[in-house]
Amino acid sequence: EVQLVESGGGLIQPGGSLRLSCAASGFTFSSYAMNWVRQAPGKGLEWIAYISTSGDRSSYADSVKGRFIIARDNAWKSLNLQMNSLRDEDTAVYYCARGVGGSPDKGRYDPWGQGTLVIVSS
Amino acid sequence: DIQLTQAPSFVSASIGDRVTITCRASQGISSDLAWYQQQPGKAPKVLIYGASTLQNGVPSRFSGSGSGTEFTLTISSLQPEDFATYYCQQLNDFPRTFGPGTKVDIK
Repeated sequence: EVQLVESGGGLIQPGGSLRLSCAASGFTFSSYAMNWVRQAPGKGLEWIAYISTSGDRSSYADSVKGRFIIARDNAWKSLNLQMNSLRDEDTAVYYCARGVGGSPDKGRYDPWGQGTLVIVSS
Repeated sequence: DIQLTQAPSFVSASIGDRVTITCRASQGISSDLAWYQQQPGKAPKVLIYGASTLQNGVPSRFSGSGSGTEFTLTISSLQPEDFATYYCQQLNDFPRTFGPGTKVDIK
């Protein structure tokens, strides 16, 4: 079964750092681009980061650029999101999602993990 | 950045109704559009990709159409499990963007 499982969420003070992980199983992880998408409480979906299959290319939403870093370890089938200088507005459920089909950069997101909640508050 | 708008933002419908949701892009995105369904407390699930291709395992009552800047998602006969929020997403350029969502509720 293809599965993504996020971990690492929790309560963190503004200005702090947190590292999210996404463990992949059931597929050849190194063959797929990966993404992070977040959803603030009661709000819509916001794409925040993309990383290519080998990790040599990445892209970020303006809202997190310079603060968040997406990385992957293909040997360990793991995707990570290092989040620094956290703000109240970063409070959200964070999902990892596999990009599948089409050209490598344009794959639809399938599947998604179950999400991990990050709360930024003093 | 490519902006996506969705209309309507809320639909109140009955079982068996036909529901159509529109997604408009601020510039042409060819057919690089996907539709997702999100039920409360759950992760989103892809329904349609390439604007009109049905994802494996998705019921045939769901269909998508359009290209360029205007796209539609149609549910031909609404079922109880279809009450959810629907999002479009453009995959044409970075930053990727989602529409604001359309909530389909029970009348």
